[in-house]
Amino acid sequence: GAVVSQHPSWVICKSGTSVKIECRSLDFQATTMFWYRQFPKQSLMLMATSNEGSKATYEQGVEKDKFLINHASLTLSTLTVTSAHPEDSSFYICSAKQGAGPYGYTFGSGTRLTVV
Amino acid sequence: GESVGLHLPTLSVQEGDNSIINCAYSNSASDYFIWYKQESGKGPQFIIDIRSNMDKRQGQRVTVLLNKTVKHLSLQIAATQPGDSAVYFCAESYLSAGNMLTFGGGTRLMVKP
Repeated sequence: GAVVSQHPSWVICKSGTSVKIECRSLDFQATTMFWYRQFPKQSLMLMATSNEGSKATYEQGVEKDKFLINHASLTLSTLTVTSAHPEDSSFYICSAKQGAGPYGYTFGSGTRLTVV
Repeated sequence: GESVGLHLPTLSVQEGDNSIINCAYSNSASDYFIWYKQESGKGPQFIIDIRSNMDKRQGQRVTVLLNKTVKHLSLQIAATQPGDSAVYFCAESYLSAGNMLTFGGGTRLMVKP
């Protein structure tokens, strides 16, 4: 089946530094990749949608200059949290989808970001 | 705005019993629904899906029921096992939103041995 690899699984960084999270589709080409954020005991909130080779579409309230998304190939998308602050500490999850229809979402295993 | 929500934040069941997790959705345009299972510290895992032209779909030990009249979705787990303990989310999708998934609030299922 389709597999999405997300790396790192956890990261601790100092306030003010930047952190990059990678999301790779291992055995399929992802037409679209999605980035979610999940706070403890809450649901997944969509941050942005990215299509290969084009700019990401950010959800309302998500700062595009703070959460940089690059989707350089059909198998790789990256999320960079710039100038991280403690309030950015969260669980970040990516999802990759094949095709244009509603099917075929595969989720990564998530990245636990802790900013100290 | 439109949203998908859950009534019960926590459900505790005895091992071997059947579990029913409910979800209400508000967007009548939604045409595709998915149930996900999320274990602590992991990403969501696909359980079962259903299209809006169906009202029931069965998988291995799981059944999803869709009632479009009252905009209600449920996940039934038969013979619940300790390994079923997790948080369960429903998600909806519709074409006019580019088929993006909108997640409900989640229900924690706790299985007592």
